[in-house]
Order: sequence, then structure tokens, then C-alpha cells
Amino acid sequence: NAGVTQTPKFQVLKTGQSMTLQCAQDMNHEYMSWYRQDPGMGLRLIHYSVGAGITDQGEVPNGYNVSRSTTEDFPLRLLSAAPSQTSVYFCASSARDRPNYGYTFGSGTRLTVV
Amino acid sequence: AQSVTQLGSHVSVSEGALVLLRCNYSSSVPPYLFWYVQYPNQGLQLLLKYTSAATLVKGINGFEAEFKKSETSFHLTKPSAHMSDAAEYFCAVKLVWYSGGGADGLTFGKGTHLIIQP
Repeated sequence: NAGVTQTPKFQVLKTGQSMTLQCAQDMNHEYMSWYRQDPGMGLRLIHYSVGAGITDQGEVPNGYNVSRSTTEDFPLRLLSAAPSQTSVYFCASSARDRPNYGYTFGSGTRLTVV
Repeated sequence: AQSVTQLGSHVSVSEGALVLLRCNYSSSVPPYLFWYVQYPNQGLQLLLKYTSAATLVKGINGFEAEFKKSETSFHLTKPSAHMSDAAEYFCAVKLVWYSGGGADGLTFGKGTHLIIQP
């Protein structure tokens, strides 16, 4: 099993550019979520989805959009990148009927906005 | 709303000494609790989880944690530190999933960087 796959691993953007961070999982997990990790801040929830067609905001949603058209994929879109969005982004998934099993995380995307 | 506090952004111990990483949580409903480890430039790996089955939870790499409801704590311990334990450790809480729609996501502490002195 590949688990949770994130692409790209590294990305440099100019301020104002747009891009999509990809996240795919092959475990048939209903729940998927996006986090950003900043030094001294831990990981903070950006958006989450409890199933195809259902998304909601987390703690820090501003500047990010998501959609969930399939169970497998949960892309994160930056419409107009800002330097404050420089961060490491992690995607995670978990099974709805096993909420106590924890989450499987991807290996992350390191994004720099200049 | 839930929150997690990890006491100490950096903890330094000697190789072979006891490791104690502190985590306190705040939650209005019974939580699920997790400890994750992150090695440099890598993703997060689950160390252990509390699921209400037992208050003392054993995880991978010799780590364990004890859930104390009265103290709202879930501290992580290891009897004897090894150089390979040097990493960032995160405590996280998730509200117990409820029917009728549900929400998702983990709330993380800010992390504790564990340093192992030779």
C-alpha cells in the first residue's frame, strides 16, 4: 500500500501565483484533512473532509480552498500565494468507523512563497 | 473546543536516562489522545494512542503513556533514552466521533524537541 501520497515534495512560488497541492490515499478512508506546520506552532488544521462532496474549515482556512470529488483525492488550492503561506503542508487520512485508530500522514510538501 | 499544551519546547536528557514529555489537554467531551514522532525532514509517525480501553498505553520503540483523567494529562515516558530517540514529539487530541454528521481533525500541541546527550 502506498498510504497517503503528496505531490510535489518541494515548491517555490512567487507572490500572487496559484497552485494545487495534491493528496491521494489508497486506503478507502472517508476522512481526509490538511495541516500546515510552522516552527514553534505545531500542526494546525486547515480544512477537512468527512466524505466525498463534504468539506469544512479548520483552524486556519483563510487563503486556501479544497474540494473532494472522490474518496481518494483531496487537493488543496492556493489561489493567490502569500509569503505567510510559506510552510510545510501535510495531508492525513483516517477511517470513519475507526476514529481511534489515528491518522496516516503523507510525507509533506515544503512550500516557499517569495 | 479542545486544546493541547506541551510543557517544554525542548527537553534534554542523557543517553540511558528516563524520558518524560508532558502533555495536558482540555476537552469538553471524552477525547482520543495520540502521540506522534517526527524525525528531521520526515512526516509524522504514530507512537501510541489512548482509546479508553486502558489508561496505560504502550507504543512503539519502548514508549508508553498514561491517561489521567483527573489531571487531564497524557504524559509520554521511556525508561531509557537512546540516541535514535532524538526527534520532535507531538501530542494531539481528537474529539470522539459522534453520529449525525461528524467533524474531523486533530488538535496538536506545539511540540517538544527531544535532545539526547551522549
